[in-house]
Amino acid sequence: GAGVSQSPSNKVTEKGKDVELRCDPISGHTALYWYRQSLGQGLEFLIYFQGNSAPDKSGLPSDRFSAERTGGSVSTLTIQRTQQEDSAVYLCASSLNRGQNGYTFGSGTRLTVV
Amino acid sequence: GENVEQHPSTLSVQEGDSAVIKCTYSDSASNYFPWYKQELGKGPQLIIDIRSNVGEKKDQRIAVTLNKTAKHFSLHITETQPEDSAVYFCAAINFGNEKLTFGTGTRLTIIP
Repeated sequence: GAGVSQSPSNKVTEKGKDVELRCDPISGHTALYWYRQSLGQGLEFLIYFQGNSAPDKSGLPSDRFSAERTGGSVSTLTIQRTQQEDSAVYLCASSLNRGQNGYTFGSGTRLTVV
Repeated sequence: GENVEQHPSTLSVQEGDSAVIKCTYSDSASNYFPWYKQELGKGPQLIIDIRSNVGEKKDQRIAVTLNKTAKHFSLHITETQPEDSAVYFCAAINFGNEKLTFGTGTRLTIIP
């Protein structure tokens, strides 16, 4: 597609439930990144994919968070047993050449845990 | 690893005046420096970037300068307009690394 697509755009879930967030990167972009942005805060790195492998998972806050990427394209970020502190905007970005030409971000998924 | 500091965290300027946002980085091997603009409810968008072999780059009302010796780079917006109001993020990357390191953001408000 023309841009990075994320779905859903908004998600409200009850504490303790699992959620899946989806990212469709730009076609041909081999690198894919997940970031988290809490209200009024900066960009917190979560995980990076090169192709289908994840060389850097250092930002995942706990073992409740996991992500996968299939076919070198779509990625899913899964949060198990959601907590209120997981409420944030989850941003996905993709790039050519490992970010050496900048990232293209999606519009994000706003997750609210009630 | 790389560390990027960004100042100020908030900035208010009168419409028509200039705005300057400054960033410093720690890794002298960093060689690509993009700037992103984030409007309310949207993802960050790349507005301008600069590579380490260039000292300055300009695109209409936006310019970026890079001082490799001092390890700092700045975003300059001239003749500011209300639509420039947004959060701006700087970032840096070393070609040997695999992800951008972002600054903490500057909330720019243009006062009509």
